[in-house]
Amino acid sequence: GDSVTQMEGPVTLSEEAFLTINCTYTATGYPSLFWYVQYPGEGLQLLLKATKADDKGSNKGFEATYRKETTSFHLEKGSVQVSDSAVYFCALSETGGTSYGKLTFGQGTILTVHP
Amino acid sequence: DVKVTQSSRYLVKRTGEKVFLECVQDMDHENMFWYRQDPGLGLRLIYFSYDVKMKEKGDIPEGYSVSREKKERFSLILESASTNQTSMYLCASRDISYEQYFGPGTRLTVT
Repeated sequence: GDSVTQMEGPVTLSEEAFLTINCTYTATGYPSLFWYVQYPGEGLQLLLKATKADDKGSNKGFEATYRKETTSFHLEKGSVQVSDSAVYFCALSETGGTSYGKLTFGQGTILTVHP
Repeated sequence: DVKVTQSSRYLVKRTGEKVFLECVQDMDHENMFWYRQDPGLGLRLIYFSYDVKMKEKGDIPEGYSVSREKKERFSLILESASTNQTSMYLCASRDISYEQYFGPGTRLTVT
C-alpha cells in the first residue's frame, strides 16, 4: 500500500535559519502530494500541494517540488520565523479510481523556532 | 471559507461508554473522513464516506463505526470506549481538487 516517510524530528532552529524537512513516498499510481501544517491547539491546514511530477508548490515562503525519480517532496524555507513553529505533515492522495482522495500521512515533524 | 466543525474540543469518557463524535461541513462536499492522531504515528484513517449512507473502512476501523444520514454531517461512534482509544480525533471533508479541510479536532480521554 501507499506510505509516506518523514525525517525524524523534532527540529529546532534559530530565527532566519534555513529549513528542510525530508519526505519520501511509495505509491502505486500517480498521487498528488501535500504538506499540511498544524499550529498548537488547531486542526490541520493545507500549506502547499503538487499534483504531478516536477510541479512546485509554494506558500508563505515554503516550497516543495514533486520529484518522481526520487519519490520525494521535501519541504524548504529560506528563512524561518518564530511563527512557523508547528507540526508539519507530508501526505499523499491517490486521485483516481476508488481512492476517494484518502490521505496517507507521514508521522509529522515538530518544528520549533527560537528567537 | 470552508468550515468544518466538530461538536467538542475536549471530551472525557469512562471505559465501556458509547461515545459520539459529530462533524459538520458547510461546503456540500461529498467525501468526508475521520482520522485519529497519535504522537509519532501521524494521522491514520478510521472511516470515510463518499455519499449519504455510504461508508468505507479505513486503515484502523476496529472499535469504531460511523453514520452519515445527511450530506453535511458525519458521525464517529465508539461503541464501547476503551483506554486505547484515548487520542485526538480529526474530521475532514474533501473538495474536487482533492484538498481536504480539517476541523479543529476533539481530544478524547477514556478513563
